[in-house]
Amino acid sequence: GAVVSQHPSRVICKSGTSVKIECRSLDFQATTMFWYRQFPKQSLMLMATSNEGSKATYEQGVEKDKFLINHASLTLSTLTVTSAHPEDSSFYICSASRRTGVSYGYTFGSGTRLTVV
Amino acid sequence: AQKVTQAQTEISVVEKEDVTLDCVYETRDTTYYLFWYKQPPSGELVFLIRRNSFDEQNEISGRYSWNFQKSTSSFNFTITASQVVDSAVYFCALTTRETSGSRLTFGEGTQLTVNP
Repeated sequence: GAVVSQHPSRVICKSGTSVKIECRSLDFQATTMFWYRQFPKQSLMLMATSNEGSKATYEQGVEKDKFLINHASLTLSTLTVTSAHPEDSSFYICSASRRTGVSYGYTFGSGTRLTVV
Repeated sequence: AQKVTQAQTEISVVEKEDVTLDCVYETRDTTYYLFWYKQPPSGELVFLIRRNSFDEQNEISGRYSWNFQKSTSSFNFTITASQVVDSAVYFCALTTRETSGSRLTFGEGTQLTVNP
């Protein structure tokens, strides 16, 4: 079945540094990638939507200069948290949209738990 | 705008009990797609089911069953004879367009704990 590989699964970084999270679609082309963040005991909050080869569309309230999204190919999308601070500590999860017959399905990565110290 | 409401924040049952997780949705679109996902403690989202708005047939998959009622805008999920491994957060979600870029709107999730 369709798989989205997300790395790293866990990362601890120092305040002020940048962290890059990768999502790769292993056996299909991900035309669209969604990036979510999830705080403990809360739902998934959509941060941005990216289409291959174009700029990401950010949700209201999400700083595009802080959360850099690159979707350079149909199989790879990255989220870079720049100048991370403790309040950026969260669970980040990507989701790739893929065609399934005449419709579209969503395949999620396994998530990245970011801790900023 | 669309909205998904999962009114039950937490449910705790004893193993072998049946449990129903409620999901109520709002959308003005006549065509939409509903999903249920399971999120175990490890964090990944596990796809359980997808239902189109034009197909009101209920579905059963092993111990899982889903009741789709357009009249009440509900898409409830029942686990029969629950097991400890069913403990997880369950999310109901909705999308209204069948395109690559259509986003999912998630409910707040229901934490299910199945005790031995």
